Formats: sequence, structure tokens, C-alpha cells
Amino acid sequence: ETGVTQTPRHLVMGMTNKKSLKCEQHLGHNAMYWYKQSAKKPLELMFVYNFKEQTENNSVPSRFSPECPNSSHLFLHLHTLQPEDSALYLCASSQAGTVNEQFFGPGTRLTVL
Amino acid sequence: GQQLNQSPQSMFIQEGEDVSMNCTSSSIFNTWLWYKQDPGEGPVLLIALYKAGELTSNGRLTAQFGITRKDSFLNISASIPSDVGIYFCAGRNTGNQFYFGTGTSLTVIP
Repeated sequence: ETGVTQTPRHLVMGMTNKKSLKCEQHLGHNAMYWYKQSAKKPLELMFVYNFKEQTENNSVPSRFSPECPNSSHLFLHLHTLQPEDSALYLCASSQAGTVNEQFFGPGTRLTVL
Repeated sequence: GQQLNQSPQSMFIQEGEDVSMNCTSSSIFNTWLWYKQDPGEGPVLLIALYKAGELTSNGRLTAQFGITRKDSFLNISASIPSDVGIYFCAGRNTGNQFYFGTGTSLTVIP
């Protein structure tokens, strides 16, 4: 595997379900990011981790819970989501301090019923 | 909050034509980036610009960092069908905040 991978690629869940999104980077980076991409809206940065420590949380509702066990893996735990949370969730990585040069994964297309 | 105004929102062009799109901000940026996103994939970095006035090329793509530091443009010359996708500008302002534009959807008609 190379680059940034995300699983699953597609996820359909009910509002009472609990699910997790997984991201893995094979680039030797030490910063990882979660973004939300909704139709016709700019990418919204959700969380930033530098060296496994969360350094940014852009007022994301608590029903989204990130976890970064090491610098190669990033999770987004989901529970009691709302239909408006349906979107493409993108993971990215970079060297810490070089937020410019982020490499993105393919995303997880999430649908909340 | 900060907004990046990207235009046009969509373009339909004939194969072989040149394409130009731009991005403007209300504040000064230190970095401008251009990404392309194919359907079902994440954005891929095309060009990064770090200095006002900088002009950088990547194959048929050319991007410039505006002298005012509040704008950037991306040109694609001699478009081909695989240029189809959504192009995003992004940038980092002097407050170290990072923003994406809303994207330009490009359709190339063979």
C-alpha cells in the first residue's frame, strides 16, 4: 500500500448506529487531518493531529470522535449522527508544520439515514 | 470567516482549448495551492506557490501567485479529456489559517 488509504470507501448508517472510519498513511508523515466535504461547499477542516496529539478541533460536534493511536493511523468514531452529516470524509497527512503539502486519501462516502 | 472566491464554478470546453480559473481572498495569503479532484477520489496537489509573483508550471498547467497576495490563477493549456474534474484552490493566510475554495468543475468535450 502506498499513499493515504481510507476504509470503508462507502458507509450507510442509521442515526442510532456506531461506526468508525479508518485512515492509514504510508508516507512517513507525522501530521494527519480529517476533512468533511459536502456538495457545493469548501472542504471543512475538522481535526488536526501533530505527532499523535490533537492540535485543532474546529467546533466539531461531539458525535464525531477522532482517535490517533500513532502517527500512521487515524480514526473517526461516529455515533448518533444526523442526516446532514452525510458527506465525503477525507483524511490527509503531511509533515508536521507543512500543512501546505497535504496528501489526501480517497475518502469515505457516508450516508446517514 | 475567511472565504476564498473561486471562479468560474463550472466550465464546459472543447478538447484542445485553454482553460483559466482564479481564486481571490479578502485577506493576504502566504501560500496558494491548486488541487484536482477526480470523481470518487481525494484531492491531488497540482501546484504550490509560496512567493508573491511566483509563476510555476507543471506540464500543461501554470499557476501564479498574485502580486497583491490576495489572488491566484491556474491555466491549463491544450485541454484533454482526462483534465475533467474539480479544481480547488487553497491557501494559508498570515494568521496561519488554511482554507479551500468551492471548486471549479471542468468538463472537456472531445
